[in-house]
Amino acid sequence: QVQLVQSGAEVKKPGSSVKVSCRSSGGTFSSYPISWVRQAPGQGLQWMGGIIPIFRTANYAQKFQGRVTITADESTSTVYMELSSLTSEDTALYYCARGDAGSELDYWGQGTLVTVSS
Amino acid sequence: EIVLTQSPGTLSLSPGERATLSCRASQSVSNSYLAWYQQKPGQAPRLLIYGASTRATGIPDRFSGSGSGTDFTLTISRLEPEDFAVYYCQRYGHSPTFGQGTRLEIK
Repeated sequence: QVQLVQSGAEVKKPGSSVKVSCRSSGGTFSSYPISWVRQAPGQGLQWMGGIIPIFRTANYAQKFQGRVTITADESTSTVYMELSSLTSEDTALYYCARGDAGSELDYWGQGTLVTVSS
Repeated sequence: EIVLTQSPGTLSLSPGERATLSCRASQSVSNSYLAWYQQKPGQAPRLLIYGASTRATGIPDRFSGSGSGTDFTLTISRLEPEDFAVYYCQRYGHSPTFGQGTRLEIK
């Protein structure tokens, strides 16, 4: 059974960056893709990008290109999502999930709340 | 980018009733790369259906998905109290997008 455990809540200033982690257990970490999906308060879901750790190549939604970086550390079975140039509009719950742009998302992390406030 | 429009926005039904949720795409969804998720307050989304009609592991058979091209439907044959939640459709395959969600509430 795949389990995805995310890092804790963050409070950030506008203009700064945030890095959220997603540690995987169960399954073969390197071979399955991990995506990041965000959900603003009271809003719907938005796919941000994904990575297949064994290939170390990430792909990103156009909306987040240039501002998001997704990386993987195979030694710790952890995927990271870093979002830069934060504004209040980036206040949201950020989820990691198993799957990528070409597949359904079948296992989800518990979510990490990122609050951007001055 | 393919836009997914879900209807209705809110559906009010009673336990035991049948629920029919719609998801319409602005362009044809290739290979029926369409998934449905259930989200309850304070929880992560849960995969229900993928490939438009295949139930995910552990999903009760009262949930069924159908459709192709631009029109897709999630049907819950007989509502249980735990089914009242928000439901999202998602198109995957390239540049994934989600619908805005349908809230299923107790009447």
